[in-house]
Amino acid sequence: NAGVTQTPKFQVLKTGQSMTLQCAQDMNHEYMSWYRQDPGMGLRLIHYSVGAGITDQGEVPNGYNVSRSTTEDFPLRLLSAAPSQTSVYFCASSYLTAWGYTFGSGTRLTVV
Amino acid sequence: AQKITQTQPGMFVQEKEAVTLDCTYDTSDPSYGLFWYKQPSSGEMIFLIYQGSYDQQNATEGRYSLNFQKARKSANLVISASQLGDSAMYFCAMREGQGGGTSYGKLTFGQGTILTVHP
Repeated sequence: NAGVTQTPKFQVLKTGQSMTLQCAQDMNHEYMSWYRQDPGMGLRLIHYSVGAGITDQGEVPNGYNVSRSTTEDFPLRLLSAAPSQTSVYFCASSYLTAWGYTFGSGTRLTVV
Repeated sequence: AQKITQTQPGMFVQEKEAVTLDCTYDTSDPSYGLFWYKQPSSGEMIFLIYQGSYDQQNATEGRYSLNFQKARKSANLVISASQLGDSAMYFCAMREGQGGGTSYGKLTFGQGTILTVHP
């Protein structure tokens, strides 16, 4: 039981490049979400999904795309990276009817 | 309006003493849950304690307790007998709504409090 796995752990991108942050969970959680963490701002919700084929925007969705083709995977795509997207990204999952969350270990992204 | 407010950017405590980290919240939903997470310098998010809005008693988990004052909308974390390993960032977070609803999945976080434990 691996929990929530995020890859890569570190990434440096040039402005304008695109990339996908991977998130996978093996707990059959319906709910998956992406957060970004910036100094002094806590964690802010980017996108979330309540099941395969269903996604919705969170608080700061601009510049990011998501899809949920399977229960296990919830990738986050940066379409054209900008320095403002330099942040630490966390993926989290949970059962819809339970309160507990499981977080991934995070991806530290730097856009230069 | 901020849904979760942590007014203490930084706190200092002497080893073996108790410390309280403040958290106030704002919601009109009668059903909600409050969480505290610890984030050490290594970066992972570690769940500490949970309090449901209908729970009659304050939550406790080992050295952690949650001082839940519903009327004041506060959910302060109390760490007893602080240890050097408690030095970390601490986040308060809230989940609103009933289980099964789409809004139930969203966690709203406060800005965090950096706790430093001195020997």
